[in-house]
Amino acid sequence: SQQGEEDPQALSIQEGENATMNCSYKTSINNLQWYRQNSGRGLVHLILIRSNEREKHSGRLRVTLDTSKKSSSLLITASRAADTASYFCATVSFLSNSGNTPLVFGKGTRLSVIA
Amino acid sequence: GAGVSQTPSNKVTEKGKYVELRCDPISGHTALYWYRQSLGQGPEFLIYFQGTGAADDSGLPNDRFFAVRPEGSVSTLKIQRTERGDSAVYLCASSPTGHVSPLHFGNGTRLTVT
Repeated sequence: SQQGEEDPQALSIQEGENATMNCSYKTSINNLQWYRQNSGRGLVHLILIRSNEREKHSGRLRVTLDTSKKSSSLLITASRAADTASYFCATVSFLSNSGNTPLVFGKGTRLSVIA
Repeated sequence: GAGVSQTPSNKVTEKGKYVELRCDPISGHTALYWYRQSLGQGPEFLIYFQGTGAADDSGLPNDRFFAVRPEGSVSTLKIQRTERGDSAVYLCASSPTGHVSPLHFGNGTRLTVT
């Protein structure tokens, strides 16, 4: 089953523009992570944000987390053609009877950055 | 250092055959995961090892799927009596401690069942 749902499913922008991807989830979480996947490759970890954090930055990436709305967003500023990839959010949920669950991934957003 | 290594990178097999997929995690990582990814979908959890033991195998679709990690490092995912629906990319990931740390993924094994 997939908990995170990314929106939009696909996004096409011009180089230099900002790209925003959103993720919604259903259960209480321990943390939320964003990953990137280039075609035919494995996933690469971008950012991990814990449930008690609201915002994190890493270079051109900014992640926000709103636990009241069960949503997160990933912002890529000043996009480059090399940012073209699929982006996935994934959640570690906390279940009172079994502790933390393994990462559950959404279906991803396919980002195309046109030079 | 070396990342997560998966072999083979591609595997084509006939329906009904047995296959083994291998994963070499990052040295020292105690947690190891197997995921399966179909085209256009996100990775789907299969099984998680902490050390040598399977801590959570709730994602294995049926008893044709089995995974081992006998010495707490290399893991093998075994699929018996393969079906066409098993065709997917099988991803392995490792982590120093478990779910609360980022996962390091290999490039996957693309399994095609004809």
